[in-house]
Amino acid sequence: GAGVSQSPSNKVTEKGKDVELRCDPISGHTALYWYRQSLGQGLEFLIYFQGNSAPDKSGLPSDRFSAERTGGSVSTLTIQRTQQEDSAVYLCASSLAGGGTDTQYFGPGTRLTVL
Amino acid sequence: GNSVTQMEGPVTLSEEAFLTINCTYTATGYPSLFWYVQYPGEGLQLLLKATKADDKGSNKGFEATYRKETTSFHLEKGSVQVSDSAVYFCALSSGTYKYIFGTGTRLKVLA
Repeated sequence: GAGVSQSPSNKVTEKGKDVELRCDPISGHTALYWYRQSLGQGLEFLIYFQGNSAPDKSGLPSDRFSAERTGGSVSTLTIQRTQQEDSAVYLCASSLAGGGTDTQYFGPGTRLTVL
Repeated sequence: GNSVTQMEGPVTLSEEAFLTINCTYTATGYPSLFWYVQYPGEGLQLLLKATKADDKGSNKGFEATYRKETTSFHLEKGSVQVSDSAVYFCALSSGTYKYIFGTGTRLKVLA
């Protein structure tokens, strides 16, 4: 089927506002990941969902960041009270089972700009 | 902790030139190693991978060999094309789902 999709593709917001970023994984993939790609940096792991297990939130940079995955499919990453340092490309990926050798399939990303 | 170091770019080559992008890693255990490519305006996509020492991953003319003795996974291509212009990311997974990515190397191929 279709690949991983993300929306919006671009988001410009003012400092202090909340934003929601959406990810639709590949159908049938049980594992879902969020990463952040800042200018000149590698990809930074944020959070991982696997089936009905508790998510691994160890990469979230602050308590302003949260994510949920409803029904084991679509995921939403929420950033509250955005700051300028939150400006980055937020990437979502999914994989079939979540193992270490599993290929992760990435979406095109959401470019977030905080003014 | 685990880490990936790859050569800084940008790398600018003429068409048909030989390409090497260096990648070295630090990891406990026996990681799996990956190269991802990001073409302009697109998401990351897997280029190749190797899951154990001495394995060679290959795809689209690109190759990389998992060298445990030098903790390296250098990406090579014998003859690059303009369409290979992209950002290349080296990554590792040390037995868990968490990928550790390098900072990416931008390749520009001139006609």
